[in-house]
Amino acid sequence: DIQMTQSPSSVSASVGDRVTITCRASQDVNNWLAWYQRKPGKAPNLLIYEASNLQRGVPSRFSGSGSGTDFTLTISSLQPEDSAMYYCQQASDFPRITFGQGTRVEI
Amino acid sequence: QVQLVESGGGVVQPGRSLRLSCAASGFTFSSYGMYWVRQAPGKGLEWVAIMSYDGKHKNLLDSVKGRFSVSRDNSKNTLSLQMNSLREEDTGVYFCARGRGAAPRFLDYWGQGTLVIVSS
Repeated sequence: DIQMTQSPSSVSASVGDRVTITCRASQDVNNWLAWYQRKPGKAPNLLIYEASNLQRGVPSRFSGSGSGTDFTLTISSLQPEDSAMYYCQQASDFPRITFGQGTRVEI
Repeated sequence: QVQLVESGGGVVQPGRSLRLSCAASGFTFSSYGMYWVRQAPGKGLEWVAIMSYDGKHKNLLDSVKGRFSVSRDNSKNTLSLQMNSLREEDTGVYFCARGRGAAPRFLDYWGQGTLVIVSS
């Protein structure tokens, strides 16, 4: 299985700050990488797919970049509603998709 | 509006069975691959099962093969997960999710999940 490692495990930032989360794959996943947001008690929400494509309806302050083994999710100007867990997911080994362990973003 | 609603979770003893269901609405269910994904307490997300849009292809996580089975009824817009010989490590929230697009490598809509607790 392809292992996905996220860092940091948690980050605390202020409203308006730029926040960056990284995800590293144990092998090349090309651009088959997604990012999800999960708030407590809510369904996960797809933010980014194919490494850099913004899912419809997701605010433009979210962006993704990277390819191969190293990827980044950036929140350009942190908002209170962005407090959540964030997960990366590889789809190179489809259908055996795997997720990172998550990054907690706190305001 | 896409909606996925899971049901069937609960508390069960090790070795027993449970059947989860996912009711889909707001989209053409028969056109999409569907997933089950779980999250154990304090842990990350873990793919459990996937079934193709027509039910002809499916795949299961190695650790649940032989114990879990996935099925769908496109006439009723329902996805199911039959879980037999449950183990304590199967405890967690189980999510139903829709695969995005023709090659459903990503999951674009998720339900809120149903909690399964396996405990003696």
